[in-house]
Amino acid sequence: SQQGEEDPQALSIQEGENATMNCSYKTSINNLQWYRQNSGRGLVHLILIRSNEREKHSGRLRVTLDTSKKSSSLLITASRAADTASYFCATDERTGNQFYFGTGTSLTVIP
Amino acid sequence: DVKVTQSSRYLVKRTGEKVFLECVQDMDHENMFWYRQDPGLGLRLIYFSYDVKMKEKGDIPEGYSVSREKKERFSLILESASTNQTSMYLCASSPRLAGNNEQFFGPGTRLTVL
Repeated sequence: SQQGEEDPQALSIQEGENATMNCSYKTSINNLQWYRQNSGRGLVHLILIRSNEREKHSGRLRVTLDTSKKSSSLLITASRAADTASYFCATDERTGNQFYFGTGTSLTVIP
Repeated sequence: DVKVTQSSRYLVKRTGEKVFLECVQDMDHENMFWYRQDPGLGLRLIYFSYDVKMKEKGDIPEGYSVSREKKERFSLILESASTNQTSMYLCASSPRLAGNNEQFFGPGTRLTVL
């Protein structure tokens, strides 16, 4: 059963704007990760945030985690056309060893 | 450079055929995974493996089997392909503590069953 659900399903912005996408999940987790998938390719890991962390940065990426609301957000600042991709959150159950991926947010950055 | 490779990028098979999808990783990872990805459904886990000869069912194992005879290789087998198995298949690997480490993905195999 899927754990994560991303919102919105699709997002279109102008180059230079910020993009925010959200992920909600159902059960307690150890970690939450965000991945990017360029069209028709495999997924690439972006960032991992642990359940005891509230915010994490990596370059133009900022991830927040609210375990009380079981939600996370991914912010991409100063977007570029190359950021056009689908973005997925992935969670692991606290007792498990497998990941659950959401349905993804499709981001289009218009030059 | 770490790498997960899959045997084919595109594959076309006929209904009833036995299909083998191969995945090889060169990172000495213990965990390996097979997912299928369909529009609007995201990635769904078919099977995963913690170690050689070990396998665990994921969310949608029906119609599939797997084999892990060597640590670096994880094979997905469609015993008798059906049209509803037309999909993108993604293989991934990770170190033992999967929850604390990223998964590394292969480029995917787009399978069409006619």
